[in-house]
Amino acid sequence: NAGVTQTPKFQVLKTGQSMTLQCAQDMNHEYMSWYRQDPGMGLRLIHYSVGAGITDQGEVPNGYNVSRSTTEDFPLRLLSAAPSQTSVYFCASSPTTSGYEQYFGPGTRLTVT
Amino acid sequence: QQQVKQSPQSLIVQKGGISIINCAYENTAFDYFPWYQQFPGKGPALLIAIRPDVSEKKEGRFTISFNKSAKQFSLHIMDSQPGDSATYFCAASTTSGTYKYIFGTGTRLKVLA
Repeated sequence: NAGVTQTPKFQVLKTGQSMTLQCAQDMNHEYMSWYRQDPGMGLRLIHYSVGAGITDQGEVPNGYNVSRSTTEDFPLRLLSAAPSQTSVYFCASSPTTSGYEQYFGPGTRLTVT
Repeated sequence: QQQVKQSPQSLIVQKGGISIINCAYENTAFDYFPWYQQFPGKGPALLIAIRPDVSEKKEGRFTISFNKSAKQFSLHIMDSQPGDSATYFCAASTTSGTYKYIFGTGTRLKVLA
């Protein structure tokens, strides 16, 4: 099992550009989530999904879109990048629909200039 | 009410000593309290977790103590080793209605050889 994979590892965007961060898992987990990690602020939930076709907002959803067309994939879209979105982004999945025992990917470091 | 407060922000411990990290929460609906360990450049990894029906859980050198009345829980690392040097995050979650993790802000632990 590859577990949770994320691409790209690093990305630099200009303000106003859009992009999609990819996340995939091969563990057949129903629950998937996206977090951003900023210094001194821990991890904050952006969006999550409890199954294909079902998504919901977390703490900091503004400026981000998600969709879940398959169990395996959960892409995160930045609609119009802003410097405030400079962060490290982690995708996670869980074997339980309640989100217990989350397994994290290696992260994507995004810089918006 | 959704916050999880974690302390200290950083911690330096001698090899063989005990590392103690504390977390406090407000929302009494939380029913799952995990600890995650994160090494530089990696995603967080689940270390140990506890439910509110027990006051203590031990796995090897790692112990969670849980005080339901005080709404506090803590991680104890016995016989701390240099390889334990990492950032530790507590979290809290509830399965009643919303499936969201709330993370603490993290504790950077350094164990001196």
